[in-house]
Amino acid sequence: EDKVVQSPLSLVVHEGDTVTLNCSYEVTNFRSLLWYKQEKKAPTFLFMLTSSGIEKKSGRLSSILDKKELFSILNITATQTGDSAVYLCAVDDRTNAGKSTFGDGTTLTVKP
Amino acid sequence: NAGVTQTPKFRILKIGQSMTLQCTQDMNHNYMYWYRQDPGMGLKLIYYSVGAGITDKGEVPNGYNVSRSTTEDFPLRLELAAPSQTSVYFCASRDLWTENTGELFFGEGSRLTVL
Repeated sequence: EDKVVQSPLSLVVHEGDTVTLNCSYEVTNFRSLLWYKQEKKAPTFLFMLTSSGIEKKSGRLSSILDKKELFSILNITATQTGDSAVYLCAVDDRTNAGKSTFGDGTTLTVKP
Repeated sequence: NAGVTQTPKFRILKIGQSMTLQCTQDMNHNYMYWYRQDPGMGLKLIYYSVGAGITDKGEVPNGYNVSRSTTEDFPLRLELAAPSQTSVYFCASRDLWTENTGELFFGEGSRLTVL
């Protein structure tokens, strides 16, 4: 059974800090790993990492995938209060016909 | 485009009642999903569908049923509601047409309370 573990479960920082969120996974036949941001409503997509795209960056957010060690990290630099959210990691398994398995998320709180 | 639309947004049920959560998408996606999210937890997959006429169980299917008669619609049926089904429900869809696609598009969620 596919498994995704995120750490830490929660994190409190001050504006301007840099944070690193972790996601480790077990999957039979890896297809992709996805990061989502959830702010009191539906998750919104951040990044998708695959065998051919193991590093992504968008503004202050970046993510890398280590397929050998089976983990991914999401970095946020110069954090802002608007970054406060739950960050969800999900992994797709080719052998499971499109199922995404989610971790329990990391709750990030950015204080002014 | 509306994306993924699910209704109702809120509902209170009594124990033993039944109801259907509606979900429709206008992106011509083959893959559709129902997730539930309990407080402080991630998303747990209830049922999913890889195309019209095909459905399969996820991690937590007990107490639920689905159907997929068209590409657009994927309703979730709760039979004999129980307090354990109090949760926020998300419908989602996506395509997996290329190696670079796969993000889930979510509806706004339905908050269900069973008393």
